[in-house]
Amino acid sequence: DVKVTQSSRYLVKRTGEKVFLECVQDMDHENMFWYRQDPGLGLRLIYFSYDVKMKEKGDIPEGYSVSREKKERFSLILESASTNQTSMYLCASTSPGSGGAAEQFFGPGTRLTVL
Amino acid sequence: DAKTTQPPSMDCAEGRAANLPCNHSTISGNEYVYWYRQIHSQGPQYIIHGLKNNETNEMASLIITEDRKSSTLILPHATLRDTAVYYCIVTTSGTYKYIFGTGTRLKVLA
Repeated sequence: DVKVTQSSRYLVKRTGEKVFLECVQDMDHENMFWYRQDPGLGLRLIYFSYDVKMKEKGDIPEGYSVSREKKERFSLILESASTNQTSMYLCASTSPGSGGAAEQFFGPGTRLTVL
Repeated sequence: DAKTTQPPSMDCAEGRAANLPCNHSTISGNEYVYWYRQIHSQGPQYIIHGLKNNETNEMASLIITEDRKSSTLILPHATLRDTAVYYCIVTTSGTYKYIFGTGTRLKVLA
């Protein structure tokens, strides 16, 4: 059974703290993604990675960075957490499928609250 | 901005077919149509995808119009467990980047 796991389901941090959100997939997927989900805005792409040590900015990268040192692990870093980063964070992974179409597998999400 | 337009909400009686529409009038020739759903407090789950032809799997059927400007996801016999937000996404093969809209909140009624 394919699996994407995220380090925490719920997290509470204080303004200014450095926050690490971890994502691990066991499917040997090349591509991994970080999204945030807010009411009325749907899912928005923060960063994605298509290989180890490779990363690309998504639509809302400001205030975030990422790290991918191993193929199975993709970390999202909030260098200095702010209250407007309170959100649900979702990790996903995928591998190129036949004809280029590829299903994304999502983790359960981390609900981060920044006080 | 999302490339798709979906109604914000729909109701469906349990046991009946749920037909969820999606408009993607600006779709280009190499873009696929994907459907995902998100049950409360979980990550999105893949349902089905297609390029030109209609598709069916164990979960649902996908009907794409001939001009590809719209599609319909059909859940043939909706159950209470199908209550979720359903997202229609168009994406170019090779980029693997999705743009999620706000989806359709389907409520299946007993």
